[in-house]
Amino acid sequence: RKEVEQDPGPFNVPEGATVAFNCTYSNSASQSFFWYRQDCRKEPKLLMSVYSSGNEDGRFTAQLNRASQYISLLIRDSKLSDSATYLCVVTRSQGGKLIFGQGTELSVKP
Amino acid sequence: GAVVSQHPSRVICKSGTSVKIECRSLDFQATTMFWYRQFPKQSLMLMATSNEGSKATYEQGVEKDKFLINHASLTLSTLTVTSAHPEDSSFYICSARADSNQPQHFGDGTRLSIL
Repeated sequence: RKEVEQDPGPFNVPEGATVAFNCTYSNSASQSFFWYRQDCRKEPKLLMSVYSSGNEDGRFTAQLNRASQYISLLIRDSKLSDSATYLCVVTRSQGGKLIFGQGTELSVKP
Repeated sequence: GAVVSQHPSRVICKSGTSVKIECRSLDFQATTMFWYRQFPKQSLMLMATSNEGSKATYEQGVEKDKFLINHASLTLSTLTVTSAHPEDSSFYICSARADSNQPQHFGDGTRLSIL
C-alpha cells in the first residue's frame, strides 16, 4: 500500500463548479501536510499547508482529519487556470522529507 | 520568493552517455538539497538527500554508483546519471531549503530522454 493515496482522476468539471479532492495517508505519525499543484511537465508548486483546524486561502479550503488520516482540498468557483494535477504531500517528521501522492488530475472546461 | 534554478531543462542523448544536471539556489544558501524522479502519471519519488559538504543519503532502491550526487557548495548540487539507459528516461527535479524549518523550493525540472 502506498503511504499517500489519492484518486488519480481525471476530474472533468465545468467552470464555476466546486470540486473536492481526497487523500489518505497510512503513517499515523505523519507530522506535516500540504497540497501542491503541478502543471503538465512542470515542477510542483506549494498551494497550501494543511492544519488540523482547517484553513482557507481564497477559493481553496484544506481540511485535515488526523483520526481518519484523511486530507481534503476543496476548490470553489473553479477557473480554467485551475486545471492541473493536485498533489497531496506529507512528512513523517517536522522538516522531514516530502512524501508525495500520485496526484489527482483536474480539468476545468469552459 | 526563493528561486532554484535547474539546468539543463531538456536532455536527449544516446544510451551509455553520462548526463550531469545542476541545481542552484539563487538567492539563499541551501544546506540541504533533494533530488526527485517522476515517471509519467506517477508521483515524485525522492532519490536522495544531500547536505552541503557531506555524502548524499540515498533512498532504498536507488543506486548510488549510478546516480552520483555532489553538493560541494551551499548553492550548488549536481546529479550525474552515469551510463544512462532508456529506462533512466524520466523527469528529474531538485529542491533546496535553507534549513529544516524552511520549505523546499523546487527547480523547474530536467526532462531526460535516453535513446
